[in-house]
Amino acid sequence: GAVVSQHPSWVICKSGTSVKIECRSLDFQATTMFWYRQFPKQSLMLMATSNEGSKATYEQGVEKDKFLINHASLTLSTLTVTSAHPEDSSFYICSPGTSGPTDTQYFGPGTRLTVL
Amino acid sequence: QKEVEQNSGPLSVPEGAIASLNCTYSDRGSQSFFWYRQYSGKSPELIMSIYSNGDKEDGRFTAQLNKASQYVSLLIRDSQPSDSATYLCAVNLIGNEKLTFGTGTRLTIIP
Repeated sequence: GAVVSQHPSWVICKSGTSVKIECRSLDFQATTMFWYRQFPKQSLMLMATSNEGSKATYEQGVEKDKFLINHASLTLSTLTVTSAHPEDSSFYICSPGTSGPTDTQYFGPGTRLTVL
Repeated sequence: QKEVEQNSGPLSVPEGAIASLNCTYSDRGSQSFFWYRQYSGKSPELIMSIYSNGDKEDGRFTAQLNKASQYVSLLIRDSQPSDSATYLCAVNLIGNEKLTFGTGTRLTIIP
């Protein structure tokens, strides 16, 4: 399966600060990257889909000005949580897109964000 | 109606028994179906994928798909304590890479 890394694996920050999460596709070129969020005891919810070299597409209810996504290369996508608040505390997981809808999606190891 | 529904559990199964996990989906256009296992604090890892009606077996795991009933299941034979986790059902639509997840079923294997 695809090898995906995320950095940092966990981060604690103060309310009002910004946090950047990096997602790297290590063994193939990802033209698309999916960003998910998972609150405790809940399932994964898709936040946005980023495409290399273009603007991300955000799911309904996700603030694009708060969750900034950059997909500057085929191996790196970043999610920046701006002006973080305690309610943004969650598990953020990236998943590189595949070559087709029947292909398997693999997930990065996730980043645990805690906002104090 | 939720797009993908799972019984949240918890489901408790004795070690060595068969664990049966179920999932229903609402969109008849769904074409790909996946079962992921998620340990606490970890990201999901793929267990099985299935695309056509019938059974698909991989080791102790069997996925079953019935598109007419819009139903997909996962059977785990000879359950082991290491199988204790949350199992997520995910589907995507024809021509769409986006996955829609169920809420997951928490499985506990009792030694």
